[in-house]
Amino acid sequence: QQQVRQSSQSLTVWEGETAILNCSYENSAFDYFPWYQQFPGEGPALLIAIRSVSDKKEDGRFTIFFNKREKNLSLHIKDSQPGDSATYFCAASESNNRIFFGDGTQLVVKP
Amino acid sequence: EAGVTQSPRYAVLQEGQAVSFWCDPISGHDTLYWYQQPRDQGPQLLVYFRDEAVIDNSQLPSDRFSAVRPKGTNSTLKIQSAKQGDTATYLCASRVNNYAEQFFGPGTRLTVL
Repeated sequence: QQQVRQSSQSLTVWEGETAILNCSYENSAFDYFPWYQQFPGEGPALLIAIRSVSDKKEDGRFTIFFNKREKNLSLHIKDSQPGDSATYFCAASESNNRIFFGDGTQLVVKP
Repeated sequence: EAGVTQSPRYAVLQEGQAVSFWCDPISGHDTLYWYQQPRDQGPQLLVYFRDEAVIDNSQLPSDRFSAVRPKGTNSTLKIQSAKQGDTATYLCASRVNNYAEQFFGPGTRLTVL
């Protein structure tokens, strides 16, 4: 059973739009939710993360909205740029133990 | 500060051949992870170490895969007899402790023909 699910395999937006990437999880004990960004030929890199005690985390153009009751979260990328084109992985862990990754959403930002 | 380094970057094998992957974590990072990332999927944990000790290898196919970290620094992941289903990118990651960010290396892309 997949612990973390991402609703879209791919998403295309125009430059300047807000990209919204959705994610849900199974284990209510998960308390740490990082989002990773991966470019072709590179390993994933941490983009932004939220803990379950918060419902929102903002870092520049990137915002996580978290709904503990519904067990879902979303990553909003405001004013999307072509350089944001990458694969984004939603992930989750319990008490900083093993991290479970979703299968990723490939974002394409068209100029 | 140098990041996580891995070698080789690419490997192509016939089924039944053996291959080893090498990882040099960031200096001072006590925890090291090996992940398998099939094409169009997320990373899946194979094994992780704290210093030289294996903490969790429950996802490692033990009949053909092995991993060591003898001095608590560099690590080697070995596939004894590769199968086509092993085709994937193998990622190494490290972190300084349980509460810190994981840093990933660039991965080794393995193709088994």
